[in-house]
Amino acid sequence: GQQLNQSPQSMFIQEGEDVSMNCTSSSIFNTWLWYKQEPGEGPVLLIALYKAGELTSNGRLTAQFGITRKDSFLNISASIPSDVGIYFCAGQGRRTSYDKVIFGPGTSLSVIP
Amino acid sequence: DVKVTQSSRYLVKRTGEKVFLECVQDMDHENMFWYRQDPGLGLRLIYFSYDVKMKEKGDIPEGYSVSREKKERFSLILESASTNQTSMYLCASSDSRGSRYTFGSGTRLTVV
Repeated sequence: GQQLNQSPQSMFIQEGEDVSMNCTSSSIFNTWLWYKQEPGEGPVLLIALYKAGELTSNGRLTAQFGITRKDSFLNISASIPSDVGIYFCAGQGRRTSYDKVIFGPGTSLSVIP
Repeated sequence: DVKVTQSSRYLVKRTGEKVFLECVQDMDHENMFWYRQDPGLGLRLIYFSYDVKMKEKGDIPEGYSVSREKKERFSLILESASTNQTSMYLCASSDSRGSRYTFGSGTRLTVV
């Protein structure tokens, strides 16, 4: 079945550094999403992307929908301690309610003050 | 503020007990989902529902069942809890696009 790969698996960075992570698939997706899960909570949607090549920002976060439609990237600028959490990418093949969203395994981010 | 509410944050149950995990959403979403989350395994889909009284098996339905009698409520049932069902359980619902999931805060279930 469809699978998503995320890299890196985990990151330890200094406060103030920029962060880059990516998500790849062997399948084409028509929607890419990025979620963040803080400790003890459910994932929260950060950014949704609907078009190949699309670049979308949400504050210090920027995500891109890869041109091949098989990958997506998330960047966080000037990291702060509250950025700590697990970042999940997710993809959907057809843009209908009946096509399940596939989640990646997550990238765990730790920020050292 | 739109919400998905899971009835319990923490539960401890004994092996063999019947366990009900309740989830309620206030967004009038058609789609609802149950996932379990385990370290190193990510989010695994147990069951989902696209409409009232409708249910579909996800990737790991064994040992679970679900009920959706009302649009806003989706219940996960462990017919006879086992220790390998100790996990974090997450409920989610989605809008008409189907991709923008709203998750609950999770129920951490321990089966002893």
